[in-house]
Amino acid sequence: SYELTQPLSVSVALGQTARITCGGNNIGSKNVHWYQQKPGQAPVLVIYRDSNRPSGIPERFSGSNSGNTATLTIRGAQAGDEADYYCQVWDSSTGVFGTGTKVTVL
Amino acid sequence: QVQLQESGPGLVKPSETLSLTCTVSGGSISSNYWSWIRQPPGKGLECIGYIYYSGSTNYNPSLNSRVTISVDTSKNQFSLKLSSVTAADTAVYYCARTFTTRDAFDIWGQGTMVTVSS
Repeated sequence: SYELTQPLSVSVALGQTARITCGGNNIGSKNVHWYQQKPGQAPVLVIYRDSNRPSGIPERFSGSNSGNTATLTIRGAQAGDEADYYCQVWDSSTGVFGTGTKVTVL
Repeated sequence: QVQLQESGPGLVKPSETLSLTCTVSGGSISSNYWSWIRQPPGKGLECIGYIYYSGSTNYNPSLNSRVTISVDTSKNQFSLKLSSVTAADTAVYYCARTFTTRDAFDIWGQGTMVTVSS
């Protein structure tokens, strides 16, 4: 089965840039989606199809995808961005989520 | 605006069948793909499977033999049945929408906690 690997945690200073990676075999050939999940809440879509932001998601969230790594970038991180982040792809008609990354804003 | 709401028992006994329903409001279920996703306490997200409004389904191979997802378009609902549950099936269960099997889950329910315990 297809696997997506994310770092367990990422720390970022307030106002700085955080980068969260999502590794998978030839992930660049797939559409990657990213979700933000705060404690006790359902996930919220922040990036779809590699680099597109849904309505209402701040411009500081961006995404890229190439080769074996997709990346979610948060520029000018704010305290409210502290959350768990998951990447997701479809493989053989089954949804696959990454292992999840906890982002801490210092 | 489309909204999803899960409902069902919060406690299920081991070896029994977990049954949940997701009600779609603010729009018709008769388009798009409708999925079930779960998250054990303190752990990550796992896709259980999806149903297309026409009734075609796809299940996660790891759960395939125990899962049934069905749709009732007259009630604007779709449902999950997971048989022979164990403590490992204890999780928050979410329903979600996606336009195709390449797209993101753009709308999620709030989730419902199901505990498997005697």
